[in-house]
Amino acid sequence: RKEVEQDPGPFNVPEGATVAFNCTYSNSASQSFFWYRQDCRKEPKLLMSVYSSGNEDGRFTAQLNRASQYISLLIRDSKLSDSATYLCVVNRNTGGFKTIFGAGTRLFVKA
Amino acid sequence: SAVISQKPSRDICQRGTSLTIQCQVDSQVTMMFWYRQQPGQSLTLIATANQGSEATYESGFVIDKFPISRPNLTFSTLTVSNMSPEDSSIYLCSFEAGGLDNEQFFGPGTRLTVL
Repeated sequence: RKEVEQDPGPFNVPEGATVAFNCTYSNSASQSFFWYRQDCRKEPKLLMSVYSSGNEDGRFTAQLNRASQYISLLIRDSKLSDSATYLCVVNRNTGGFKTIFGAGTRLFVKA
Repeated sequence: SAVISQKPSRDICQRGTSLTIQCQVDSQVTMMFWYRQQPGQSLTLIATANQGSEATYESGFVIDKFPISRPNLTFSTLTVSNMSPEDSSIYLCSFEAGGLDNEQFFGPGTRLTVL
């Protein structure tokens, strides 16, 4: 089992739709959590950090549930430009600091 | 935030040769990393580039194949040695921002094709 698991996708949604991505992590010592966005043939870019209190940035809302070891990302009013791969990323510091990347969820938003 | 660059952006190499990839950050950073991303896959950490000491390699990666230099707090190189077609991949460097969350920022990547 992978340490960080995501919905494999792809998600195909129309413009304006709301889409939710899920991610689970297996190491309870994980300390910090992120969603990154990666466009085709580009480097990953930080979308947002994820906190237990939840955080929102415009159309994007991220949530962390430490008890369930579950992270989510909600995108409202999807735009064509949201089409990308979304990576769930976890930092832990057991036996040394390490960043673990999920395999990513591919999103296609169509007109 | 700091700007990070890599060069070359891409290269096509013959098997058995070596390629050195450079990574430059425009400000001093403590932690720098090298990743590999194979087609359709997520990122795999190769090593942590330590300033002034040997890099810390992840399981499956060794210094002889992927020697790394980190002469100062703004620069690092990764060499892919004795290349084979299986080394064809995107190689990315990153740095840790040093904030409370230890988020990382990535260079634009080097797309390597080995014939």
